[in-house]
This record gives sequence, C-alpha cells and structure tokens, in this order.
Amino acid sequence: SQQGEEDPQALSIQEGENATMNCSYKTSINNLQWYRQNSGRGLVHLILIRSNEREKHSGRLRVTLDTSKKSSSLLITASRAADTASYFCATEYNTDKLIFGTGTRLQVFP
Amino acid sequence: EPEVTQTPSHQVTQMGQEVILRCVPISNHLYFYWYRQILGQKVEFLVSFYNNEISEKSEIFDDQFSVERPDGSNFTLKIRSTKLEDSAMYFCASSPDRAIQETQYFGPGTRLLVL
Repeated sequence: SQQGEEDPQALSIQEGENATMNCSYKTSINNLQWYRQNSGRGLVHLILIRSNEREKHSGRLRVTLDTSKKSSSLLITASRAADTASYFCATEYNTDKLIFGTGTRLQVFP
Repeated sequence: EPEVTQTPSHQVTQMGQEVILRCVPISNHLYFYWYRQILGQKVEFLVSFYNNEISEKSEIFDDQFSVERPDGSNFTLKIRSTKLEDSAMYFCASSPDRAIQETQYFGPGTRLLVL
C-alpha cells in the first residue's frame, strides 16, 4: 500500500492566491515533513510537524496535521511565481527512512 | 548555510558498468542516506548508514549496491553492474541524529542514465 498520497496531483493558480495541498497516509507516524522540488532538482526541506502537533507555521507556509484522519495539509499563502514546484509529504515512523508521497505539481502564473 | 553536496551532477554509463556516486554530507551530521527517484515517480529510500555500517536498507538495495564512508567527509554509493532500470536521480541526505524528530537534508542529486 502507498504511504503518502498527495492531492491534488496538479494545481494551477494565479500569483497572490493561496495554494492548499493535502497528504494522506496509512500507518502511524512520528513526524511528517514537507519538501519542495523544483523541476529536476534536489529536495528542499520546508517544514516538519511532529505527531503531537496540530499546526505549524513558517513564513507563508502553514501545515496542519490530523492524526485521527491520517492527513496533513500544506497551505502556501500569497503565492508567487517562484513557488512553482512539486511538493511532497514524507512520513517517518520508528525507522531511519522517510516515505514520500506522490507529490503535487504546483504552477503559479504571474 | 551548510549543505549536502553531490558529484557528479550527471553520469552516463553503459549497462554492466560500475558507477560510484559521491556525496559530502553536512559536517556534523551522523546519519547518512541514499534515495532515488525514477523519472516521474516517487522518491524511494535505498539505505541508511550510521557509525560506519548500514542501519537499514530497502528491497531495492540488493547485492549490486554498496555504500561506504571512505574518509571523514565522503559518503559513496556504488552500483557494481548497472542495469537500464537503475536510471534515476540519486539523492544523498544527512541528518544530525536519527530520522525520528529530525530533518533530513538532501543534496542536489546525481542524474544517472544507463544506456
């Protein structure tokens, strides 16, 4: 079974709008992390939320975690063209490895 | 700000050849990882390494793969006899402590193409 599934798979918005991406997972977690990947490039860590946290902010990013629903959301407020990228959630539970989701491709039009 | 570096950025090789991908983790980190991403697919865990030994590996990490920390700074992934399906982006990552509660910092990746 797939641990992380993001939706939508693709999202297109205008600059200044908010972008919301969701991640669902199947097993227990210790933490959930969001990463950004520009096309063909490396993974940039955005934010980590622990299983006992419900919401976290970092600049224009807001992440929520609902462990009862096994889901998380990433909100990017006042989006910019430079936010265009793929966004992945990744979960960790009592192992060394991160399990990545399928990703949401975000396109922000100027 | 310290970052993980990887070389080469691109590698083209013939099927059956050996390749070595190199990584320099962040200097005070203790845990090291390799992941790969086949084009258009998820990022997949390959192996984690701590205290000079493998701490966890995935099903993908078979006998064709090996990792090494030959000195105090480099961390390498070797593929002994490459297959077409090994074509992927390979990411190295490091973290100060175990994955639990800690961020893994990723390098920019090496794009491997096996012909």
